[in-house]
Amino acid sequence: NAGVTQTPKFRVLKTGQSMTLLCAQDMNHEYMYWYRQDPGMGLRLIHYSVGEGTTAKGEVPDGYNVSRLKKQNFLLGLESAAPSQTSVYFCASTSNLLGETQYFGPGTRLLVL
Amino acid sequence: AQSVTQLGSHVSVSEGALVLLRCNYSSSVPPYLFWYVQYPNQGLQLLLKYTTGATLVKGINGFEAEFKKSETSFHLTKPSAHMSDAAEYFCARRAGTALIFGKGTTLSVSS
Repeated sequence: NAGVTQTPKFRVLKTGQSMTLLCAQDMNHEYMYWYRQDPGMGLRLIHYSVGEGTTAKGEVPDGYNVSRLKKQNFLLGLESAAPSQTSVYFCASTSNLLGETQYFGPGTRLLVL
Repeated sequence: AQSVTQLGSHVSVSEGALVLLRCNYSSSVPPYLFWYVQYPNQGLQLLLKYTTGATLVKGINGFEAEFKKSETSFHLTKPSAHMSDAAEYFCARRAGTALIFGKGTTLSVSS
């Protein structure tokens, strides 16, 4: 049982390049989330999904797109990276039960030059 | 707007001293509340959570937190700090299907 895994762990991009971050969970969770963490800002929700084939915007969705084609995977895409997207990205998942714990992946550190 | 406020971005204690990390929330109804810990270069790990029932919640590594509705607080405590407790701590509340996080408190422990 690997829990929540994220690929890649670290990436350097040039401004304007695109990339996809992959999140996978093996706990059969319905809900999945993408957060970004910036110094002094805590974690802020980018997008989330409440089930396969569904996605919704969070607090800071601009510049990102997501897809949930399979229940176990949640992809975060950057179509045209900007330096403001330099951050650490965390994926999380949880069941659809109220009060259930969100389980976090180890994070992806992204640097946009 | 729903929010979580952590008082003090940095707390320093000596090994063996009491740890107190403060968290206040805004909500019109009692929320589900969580404390997470993040060690350097790692993801977030759940310390404890409050959903319903007993207002004093015990978590891992000797931490506990008390939900006080009248004060809209959920402060995290540990009677005796250990060097291994040095990390960043996040308070969070459930908002719909997602979590709203505080900005975090970095705990430093000196010998």
